Amino acid sequence: QKEVEQNSGPLSVPEGAIASLNCTYSDRGSQSFFWYRQYSGKSPELIMSIYSNGDKEDGRFTAQLNKASQYVSLLIRDSQPSDSATYLCAVNIYNQGGKLIFGQGTELSVKP
Amino acid sequence: EAGVAQSPRYKIIEKRQSVAFWCNPISGHATLYWYQQILGQGPKLLIQFQNNGVVDDSQLPKDRFSAERLKGVDSTLKIQPAKLEDSAVYLCASTSTYEQYFGPGTRLTVT
Repeated sequence: QKEVEQNSGPLSVPEGAIASLNCTYSDRGSQSFFWYRQYSGKSPELIMSIYSNGDKEDGRFTAQLNKASQYVSLLIRDSQPSDSATYLCAVNIYNQGGKLIFGQGTELSVKP
Repeated sequence: EAGVAQSPRYKIIEKRQSVAFWCNPISGHATLYWYQQILGQGPKLLIQFQNNGVVDDSQLPKDRFSAERLKGVDSTLKIQPAKLEDSAVYLCASTSTYEQYFGPGTRLTVT
């Protein structure tokens, strides 16, 4: 079983819709969770971090964490064509010195 | 605040040649990481430094890859000799807490 799994997509949503990106992880010792956005040919850009169960909102982005289910998600409200990118889920595992384990990424396409 | 700097941005070499990449982290960030990202995959950690000491190099192919971070600031990653499968983007990241910030990366093509 992969340590961090994401649907590879592509996920296609119309402009203005809600995009829902999902991520599961295998290590119950995971303590910090991150979402990165990566445009084609660019490096990953940190957009959200979440450390405790529940929801965290930042503008159009909401991260949701459920440690019991080992599940973290990212919701993008009012999706825009500029949101089209690959979204990477990353997990920091307790006592591994801050090392991040990345999923393979979900490609999101927002159609005008 | 200046971000993570990397050079070169692109490099094309033939197999069995050597190559070196340079990274300068965000000022004050004690922890520096080198990742390898193969097309279509998420980044994979190669090596982690805390100041000038190695914290984790378990996934670094030590027969051909080496890295150093002298003086605890900038870092160099070297590949010698390169193989075709080393074609990837090499990303440097730094952090002072838990949130890692990436540089622009170096795209390596081995022919």
